[in-house]
Amino acid sequence: AQKVTQAQTEISVVEKEDVTLDCVYETRDTTYYLFWYKQPPSGELVFLIRRNSFDEQNEISGRYSWNFQKSTSSFNFTITASQVVDSAVYFCALSEAAQGAQKLVFGQGTRLTINP
Amino acid sequence: EAEVAQSPRYKITEKSQAVAFWCDPISGHATLYWYRQILGQGPELLVQFQDESVVDDSQLPKDRFSAERLKGVDSTLKIQPAELGDSAMYLCASSLYRGSNNEQYFGPGTRLTVT
Repeated sequence: AQKVTQAQTEISVVEKEDVTLDCVYETRDTTYYLFWYKQPPSGELVFLIRRNSFDEQNEISGRYSWNFQKSTSSFNFTITASQVVDSAVYFCALSEAAQGAQKLVFGQGTRLTINP
Repeated sequence: EAEVAQSPRYKITEKSQAVAFWCDPISGHATLYWYRQILGQGPELLVQFQDESVVDDSQLPKDRFSAERLKGVDSTLKIQPAELGDSAMYLCASSLYRGSNNEQYFGPGTRLTVT
């Protein structure tokens, strides 16, 4: 069965520090997709990135970067030069490329607090 | 920018009462999802629709929960009777296609409190 583990329940850093959110996943499929979502206090989940299992290239988008390593089943997320607006709960999620219904399995989330 | 709409945003109800939530997905999105998110946890899928058909409702407590998407557009999730343990955020999401590579777009959610 699919499983996503975000071992860090809460992280608190001072503004401008770099911070990495860890995500480890379990799946028996060779084809799957990984996602990161941000949930600000308003409650709406905001899509950040999608990565398929065949693409291990790291990705950078502004201050955000993602490190995908199949060998360790990890898909970590780094925020560089953090800002107060980055404060939110971040979820890592896994979806398998099945013929049937798509089921997005979420981790427990990491609450990130950026202090001024 | 197109958004998923949900109403109400907040709902307080007494246990044993009926409650209903409404979701209007992004126009043209064929797939619609209902999730339940208990405080401090990640969302869990309750039911998935492809157009008007249920694709997956394996995690839906069918003795008290029901969901419909009659015309393949907006959807309603109902709980009857509500129990204390149903207190949670109920999130609706939609995606253009059913494939697992498609990102899901989420609405603002309905926060339910059962007293």
